[in-house]
Amino acid sequence: DTEVTQTPKHLVMGMTNKKSLKCEQHMGHRAMYWYKQKAKKPPELMFVYSYEKLSINESVPSRFSPECPNSSLLNLHLHALQPEDSALYLCASSQGVLTSYEQYFGPGTRLTVT
Amino acid sequence: AQSVTQLDSHVSVSEGTPVLLRCNYSSSYSPSLFWYVQHPNKGLQLLLKYTSAATLVKGINGFEAEFKKSETSFHLTKPSAHMSDAAEYFCVVSDSNFNKFYFGSGTKLNVKP
Repeated sequence: DTEVTQTPKHLVMGMTNKKSLKCEQHMGHRAMYWYKQKAKKPPELMFVYSYEKLSINESVPSRFSPECPNSSLLNLHLHALQPEDSALYLCASSQGVLTSYEQYFGPGTRLTVT
Repeated sequence: AQSVTQLDSHVSVSEGTPVLLRCNYSSSYSPSLFWYVQHPNKGLQLLLKYTSAATLVKGINGFEAEFKKSETSFHLTKPSAHMSDAAEYFCVVSDSNFNKFYFGSGTKLNVKP
C-alpha cells in the first residue's frame, strides 16, 4: 500500500472558524510533511515531522498548528485563517528525512477561506 | 544553496511525438533529483529519481531522465507522448545538508490529438 490519504477533500471555512486537516499513511514511513500549494505554483514546504517530532517549521504563522499523534497520522489545525490562506494543502510521507528518499503525496485538501 | 530552474513554463506536443522537459539545478553537494507529475486537482506522483547511481534513470509510464553533472541538467524525456501525459511536471532537487526539497516552478505539458 503506497497510499497517503487526506480528509476532507474540500473545506470551506470562515475566518473565525477552527477546523482540522487529517493525513494518514500506513507505509511505515517515519517522516511526514505539510505543503501549501497556490494555483499554478509549486508546493511550498510548511512543516516536517521526523519520528513524530517537529523538525522543520518554515516560519509558518501560528494560525496553522501541526500535530503528529502517532507515526501514521498527521494533523493540521487551522484557526483564524485569512482569505490568502486559501490553497491546496498537500500531505506527504517518506521513509525518513534523508533527502534521497522520495516523498509520497496525498491528493490534497482544497481549502477556501471566506 | 540549492536551486532548480525549469526552462519552459509550457510545452505543447502532438500525441505520438517525443517529449522533452528541461531542468537545470545548482547544488553544492551531490544532489538527489526527482521528477514529479501532478494532474489537475490531484497530488504529486513520483515519476523517477536519481540518487548517484546510474546517470540514465528510467521511470514510470515510459519516462526517463539523464543526469548530466557537467551541464547540471536533469531533463525528462519520453519517446512518444500520450494524451494522458497532459499535466504539470515538477523537477525537485534535495539538499542533504538541510533535509529540504527544492521545487522548480513547474512545466505544464499540453498534448494535442
